[in-house]
Amino acid sequence: AQTVTQSQPEMSVQEAETVTLSCTYDTSESDYYLFWYKQPPSRQMILVIRQEAYKQQNATENRFSVNFQKAAKSFSLKISDSQLGDAAMYFCACYSGGSNYKLTFGKGTLLTVNP
Amino acid sequence: GAGVSQSPSNKVTEKGKDVELRCDPISGHTALYWYRQSLGQGLEFLIYFQGNSAPDKSGLPSDRFSAERTGGSVSTLTIQRTQQEDSAVYLCASSSSGRAETQYFGPGTRLLVL
Repeated sequence: AQTVTQSQPEMSVQEAETVTLSCTYDTSESDYYLFWYKQPPSRQMILVIRQEAYKQQNATENRFSVNFQKAAKSFSLKISDSQLGDAAMYFCACYSGGSNYKLTFGKGTLLTVNP
Repeated sequence: GAGVSQSPSNKVTEKGKDVELRCDPISGHTALYWYRQSLGQGLEFLIYFQGNSAPDKSGLPSDRFSAERTGGSVSTLTIQRTQQEDSAVYLCASSSSGRAETQYFGPGTRLLVL
């Protein structure tokens, strides 16, 4: 079984500042994939960034980047130059194979962006 | 192109009634997933389809829950004899082939059982 833990139920950041959301995971698989999804009040889950565990280079997507520490099983999301539209619930998720291809999600971090 | 769509957007029902939730995946996606998001909880996996078959139903919480997929496209999640604890947002996702492909989510159906 795999688990995903997000230890920060809520975070806040000033507009234009940088914020880091934490995520730790546990899986017995050697081949796995990690994701950050954003869920605004509209409920639509939007993919923010994806990391393949076999890749050593940290994934980046515009203002979003991750710090993937494989040995520590840590996968944090850094949001640079925060914008009001970044306010949402952020979920960390892990896919690690098996027969059902399901994603295992953390409980989420609610990010508030202050103007 | 069009994303994953779900209907209805919101559903209010009385305890004991049956409900059907619909998911229309991205065209060409063979894999389809249902998740449940309860208040204050993360997303809980319910069922996975590859084409029309459901190799994994392990997440369905009880035998009141069932799902089917026809024509390798639209899926319906049915909850019989609804209970108040079934109140949640039901999210559908699809991916091109399953495995490690990115899952794309629909806007969800918010179900409230009175």
